[in-house]
Amino acid sequence: DGGITQSPKYLFRKEGQNVTLSCEQNLNHDAMYWYRQDPGQGLRLIYYSQIVNDFQKGDIAEGYSVSREKKESFPLTVTSAQKNPTAFYLCASSIAIETQYFGPGTRLLVL
Amino acid sequence: GENVEQHPSTLSVQEGDSAVIKCTYSDSASNYFPWYKQELGKRPQLIIDIRSNVGEKKDQRIAVTLNKTAKHFSLHITETQPEDSAVYFCAASRGSARQLTFGSGTQLTVLP
Repeated sequence: DGGITQSPKYLFRKEGQNVTLSCEQNLNHDAMYWYRQDPGQGLRLIYYSQIVNDFQKGDIAEGYSVSREKKESFPLTVTSAQKNPTAFYLCASSIAIETQYFGPGTRLLVL
Repeated sequence: GENVEQHPSTLSVQEGDSAVIKCTYSDSASNYFPWYKQELGKRPQLIIDIRSNVGEKKDQRIAVTLNKTAKHFSLHITETQPEDSAVYFCAASRGSARQLTFGSGTQLTVLP
């Protein structure tokens, strides 16, 4: 777990603004994932990437974008098209099939 | 796609008692079932997992059982302690796609 970092811990977004959440891992994991967690709910998959330069949409990809230019990094951009972005965003990574380990999360709030 | 249902949504037990959380899944191709514990404001932590070729797995006070025929799996915590209080999530994997579908969570409270 300690090898996955997310920044910032808190992020404030203004109306119409794009914001980018950082996720870095030094575990040499192949796959990386982004989840959204709303209060009192489970985690929902936004995007995932199994290898560099490739990524796939999850269940709730609309209003979000990602890139995977390096194995260690998988940034998530919350675009202005995401009308209800307030949530806790969790990044995860895995080396073996399915065993995912999570970063500490970023809490996004709308001003 | 996969759908995972988790029950109960809240569970209170006395310290020292056992706690059981149950999940059902819809996709018969799912073959990996992890359980995560999440304390308030923290990241989910993997506590135990089971694969479809195994019916039961234990790790000290924690055990998970899987019934593939009925498509349900359960988390059992024995001799509960106040530090077990947290939200517990089950999940099911869509096989080689490495995608996890999570249940909605169970808030476990262990009363001293």
